[in-house]
Amino acid sequence: DAKTTQPNSMESNEEEPVHLPCNHSTISGTDYIHWYRQLPSQGPEYVIHGLTSNVNNRMASLAIAEDRKSSTLILHRATLRDAAVYYCILISNFGNEKLTFGTGTRLTIIP
Amino acid sequence: NAGVTQTPKFRVLKTGQSMTLLCAQDMNHEYMYWYRQDPGMGLRLIHYSVGEGTTAKGEVPDGYNVSRLKKQNFLLGLESAAPSQTSVYFCASSYVLRGSTDTQYFGPGTRLTVL
Repeated sequence: DAKTTQPNSMESNEEEPVHLPCNHSTISGTDYIHWYRQLPSQGPEYVIHGLTSNVNNRMASLAIAEDRKSSTLILHRATLRDAAVYYCILISNFGNEKLTFGTGTRLTIIP
Repeated sequence: NAGVTQTPKFRVLKTGQSMTLLCAQDMNHEYMYWYRQDPGMGLRLIHYSVGEGTTAKGEVPDGYNVSRLKKQNFLLGLESAAPSQTSVYFCASSYVLRGSTDTQYFGPGTRLTVL
């Protein structure tokens, strides 16, 4: 499985944008970049995913580097409810049976 | 749709007791998973199943058994509970886990304490 590297923790002020980085230098051509988040005392939930182009949805935006070796999850206006652990995971388009969750980035929002 | 549900939500066991955790999904997913999460740690895969009647070992399978007799249910058993199995257990399910289309859906978790 291709590995990802994320900072252990980040802080951001409420109502400001947050950029969560992820490095995946060994990504293969069939790997999609997925982001999940885990709110306190809950199971992880899907946030967004992409292959090459930048992606937007109601929760966040995903910016993918041109060489695909890194990506950034963007929360445009962080709220206290966005405080969570964010996981960046690579999922191939073929032959997956399981995922490997790393330790993720713990995001703290400062009121 | 209820999504992924887990029973029970909380349980306290004494060392050596046995119990079964039930996971149910109503999304017709093929794949189901059991993870454990210790305080301040990431998720670790215990066992998983890629279809009815199949099971496979994950990263930390020792001390646990699983069964997938029906497509919608995935059971996790502890035959002789140990304090080291105190953790929060999450169940998840997905279709065939294709990167372009599939995601894992998680249950709310079961908090297990072994005394």
